[in-house]
Amino acid sequence: GAGVSQTPSNKVTEKGKYVELRCDPISGHTALYWYRQSLGQGPEFLIYFQGTGAADDSGLPNDRFFAVRPEGSVSTLKIQRTERGDSAVYLCASSLGQGKATEAFFGQGTRLTVV
Amino acid sequence: GENVEQHPSTLSVQEGDSAVIKCTYSDSASNYFPWYKQELGKRPQLIIDIRSNVGEKKDQRIAVTLNKTAKHFSLHITETQPEDSAVYFCAAGRLNFGNEKLTFGTGTRLTIIP
Repeated sequence: GAGVSQTPSNKVTEKGKYVELRCDPISGHTALYWYRQSLGQGPEFLIYFQGTGAADDSGLPNDRFFAVRPEGSVSTLKIQRTERGDSAVYLCASSLGQGKATEAFFGQGTRLTVV
Repeated sequence: GENVEQHPSTLSVQEGDSAVIKCTYSDSASNYFPWYKQELGKRPQLIIDIRSNVGEKKDQRIAVTLNKTAKHFSLHITETQPEDSAVYFCAAGRLNFGNEKLTFGTGTRLTIIP
């Protein structure tokens, strides 16, 4: 596609519910990143995929958070038993990866609100 | 891990004047320093980046300088215009190591006063 696409753009959920956030990277980009941005803060790294594998998940805050990228393209970030503190904008970014050292392009983000 | 600090958190300048935003980083292995501009409710967009093999890079009204010894880098915007008003984030990362994740600063809200 023309850019990184994230759906939904907004998600309101009740505390304790399960949510899935989707990211469609730019076609041909093998590297995919998830970041979380709280109000007034910079994006905070969550997880990095190179192809289908999660090469670095050191930023995931706890085991309620999980992400997959089964075919090396679309990725889904999954949050179980959501808490109010999970409320933030979740950003996805993609780049060419494989050591090509190129710009990371961000999606518009999914604004998650846990009530 | 990497730690990036950014100053100031807010900055107001008269239209036409220059704006400077400064960042420091902690990991001497970082070799890539992008700057992103984020308008309200929109995605971060890359405006300029610099790699550790150069000390300065310029693109029209925007320039970035890097001091590897001191581990700091700065964004300079000259002849500011109202459309420059936004939040600017610096970041640091490592290219060519496979994992090109970025560590971001906390942002600078730049307001251009007409």
